[in-house]
Amino acid sequence: SAVISQKPSRDICQRGTSLTIQCQVDSQVTMMFWYRQQPGQSLTLIATANQGSEATYESGFVIDKFPISRPNLTFSTLTVSNMSPEDSSIYLCSVRTKETQYFGPGTRLLVL
Amino acid sequence: GQQVMQIPQYQHVQEGEDFTTYCNSSTTLSNIQWYKQRPGGHPVFLIQLVKSGEVKKQKRLTFQFGEAKKNSSLHITATQTTDVGTYFCAGKDFGNEKLTFGTGTRLTIIP
Repeated sequence: SAVISQKPSRDICQRGTSLTIQCQVDSQVTMMFWYRQQPGQSLTLIATANQGSEATYESGFVIDKFPISRPNLTFSTLTVSNMSPEDSSIYLCSVRTKETQYFGPGTRLLVL
Repeated sequence: GQQVMQIPQYQHVQEGEDFTTYCNSSTTLSNIQWYKQRPGGHPVFLIQLVKSGEVKKQKRLTFQFGEAKKNSSLHITATQTTDVGTYFCAGKDFGNEKLTFGTGTRLTIIP
């Protein structure tokens, strides 16, 4: 199994600012992902965080808006840049071990 | 791109009644996974189905993967208040590690 922690758990930010979300896993994992979940909606994959190389972004998400770091196999950060109210959402870190995918508790972001 | 739809979107049942949610993918899947998300919580992995026609059971939950590997279902027998939450299927494509989540079915239980 994998235990994932995220910081911060929630934040309220002003538009135009940036927020960096941290994800820490209690074991080394190869596959790490960042998802977004808007209230009452499903999960949308933002990107796959690759250790030692640039993240792989899904359609509709770009590195300038959502820069990701993955310095090692237990840690990653997601930055939400130049925020607008449309970025208000829950951001979830996720890892995959063998057949199971685990999610962190999420970061609830409100942009005013 | 791949789309994964679930029906119904919402389901309200009396405690003790059965519940079923259906998942349909626009493409053939390598495997399908099911997750449960309690209100205010994060998704929790329930099960993975890999083989065509596979059926797996976990106590009162029965999961099926269609013969064509494009659809799946989750059936809960005799629902309990602890079953409340949103159930998501998530399909994995062949050749990559990406999971596409379904639209989800929110289950509420009337005591």
